[in-house]
Amino acid sequence: DTVLTQSPALAVSPGERVSISCRASEGVNSYMHWYQQKPGQQPKLLIYKASNLASGVPARFSGSGSGTDFTLTIDPVEADDTATYFCQQSWNDPYTFGAGTKLELK
Amino acid sequence: QVQLKESGPGLVQPSQTLSLTCTVSGFSLTSYNVHWVRQPPGKGLEWMGRMRYNGDTSYNSALKSRLSISRDTSKNQVFLKMNSLQTDDTGTYYCTRDPYYYSGDLNWFAYWGQGTLVTVSS
Repeated sequence: DTVLTQSPALAVSPGERVSISCRASEGVNSYMHWYQQKPGQQPKLLIYKASNLASGVPARFSGSGSGTDFTLTIDPVEADDTATYFCQQSWNDPYTFGAGTKLELK
Repeated sequence: QVQLKESGPGLVQPSQTLSLTCTVSGFSLTSYNVHWVRQPPGKGLEWMGRMRYNGDTSYNSALKSRLSISRDTSKNQVFLKMNSLQTDDTGTYYCTRDPYYYSGDLNWFAYWGQGTLVTVSS
C-alpha cells in the first residue's frame, strides 16, 4: 500500500503562513487530496487533485505538488483553522490516508 | 442537497458481525459511487471499500476477507457488513460520496456523513 507521511503537529500564530507536507512512498501523479477535520466532526474536503480548491473553501487554502511530495498551505492562518489535516491519495489501490497533522494556534 | 447518514448498533461483541446502513438523499445511487471509511478513536482514516454506481464493489485488501458492501437502490441505502469483529475495529464509520457521477476510481471524497461510532466490546 502507498504510505503517506505527514508531520504530526505544528503550532503557528494567527496571521502567519503554514505549510503542511505529505510525502508518498510511491508516485501518485496529481491524485492527492486534503481534508480538514475538527474534533467531533467528519472530515471536510479542502483541496482535490493536488491544487484545486473545493467549493466553498476560502482562498487562504492552497495546494501544490506532484509525484511524491505535496504541500497544503494556509496563508494567513486564522483561529478557526485549528484542526487536524489529512492527505489522501487515489492513484494507487487501495486509497490511503496520511496519519494527519494537528495544527494548533499559539 | 446531498446528504448521507450512517446508522447501526453502537456496540458489537467481539467475534460478531457488524451491520451498518448508509441512507442517502439528494442523489441517485445509480449515478454516484459511495464508499465506507473508518477512523479508530484519535487515529487516522482507513478506506474500506466502495459501491460503484453500476453495482460493482471493490474492497481494501486488508479487509476483503471480512467485508461485504451491498445496496438497495429503491431505498437509497448502502450496506456494510463485516464479520469477526475485534476490539481494534472500534471506531467511527463514515459513508462518503464521489464528486462526479458515473466516475471512475481516481476520486476523492466530496461528501461525508456524520459518522456512526461502533464499539467492539463484551
